[in-house]
Amino acid sequence: DTEVTQTPKHLVMGMTNKKSLKCEQHMGHRAMYWYKQKAKKPPELMFVYSYEKLSINESVPSRFSPECPNSSLLNLHLHALQPEDSALYLCASSLSGGAADTQYFGPGTRLTVL
Amino acid sequence: KQEVTQIPAALSVPEGENLVLNCSFTDSAIYNLQWFRQDPGKGLTSLLLIQSSQREQTSGRLNASLDKSSGRSTLYIAASQPGDSATYLCAVQILRNFNKFYFGSGTKLNVKP
Repeated sequence: DTEVTQTPKHLVMGMTNKKSLKCEQHMGHRAMYWYKQKAKKPPELMFVYSYEKLSINESVPSRFSPECPNSSLLNLHLHALQPEDSALYLCASSLSGGAADTQYFGPGTRLTVL
Repeated sequence: KQEVTQIPAALSVPEGENLVLNCSFTDSAIYNLQWFRQDPGKGLTSLLLIQSSQREQTSGRLNASLDKSSGRSTLYIAASQPGDSATYLCAVQILRNFNKFYFGSGTKLNVKP
């Protein structure tokens, strides 16, 4: 099983809502990532978790809050987002976060903030 | 700061043609370079990973080369097919922070039947 799953596939939310994105993998990977991708742009790294600990936060606004409850699951909690936060949010995982590790990407959650 | 550039931004070819996609990067202190494919509205699929000590990697009709000293990589696709239509992204991982991919903006490929 080389699959990373993400739910929901699409999400529409208002600026006052609180919602969460979910990412799951069962490959035994110990590193998980959140990326944000705007239309026609490359993905931008947001957060990296390594062995369930946050190892990288790319100066992401606090309205995005990541959580890694266990090695298979990664959440991104959203609160008070802005319309410019509308994007495709991609989750990825890799074996251990080492440099030679391939990252496996999920299909993404298409987020629209009204 | 590492910057990755991909040329061309878009490419349209008839089916059966061989083609080359280009990727250049400004800082040669990379750990590896990876080529990804992305279908519209979908996630990324890893195609080939070249470590900095390697010169090329091959998988089926795909061949990726790396010239670290000149900061260039190419992705060669042989006998293109309509199913190859997608956006192709290259990304480098740098020595001092290999958890982070520096992505190019991609080349959008359309293979016409």
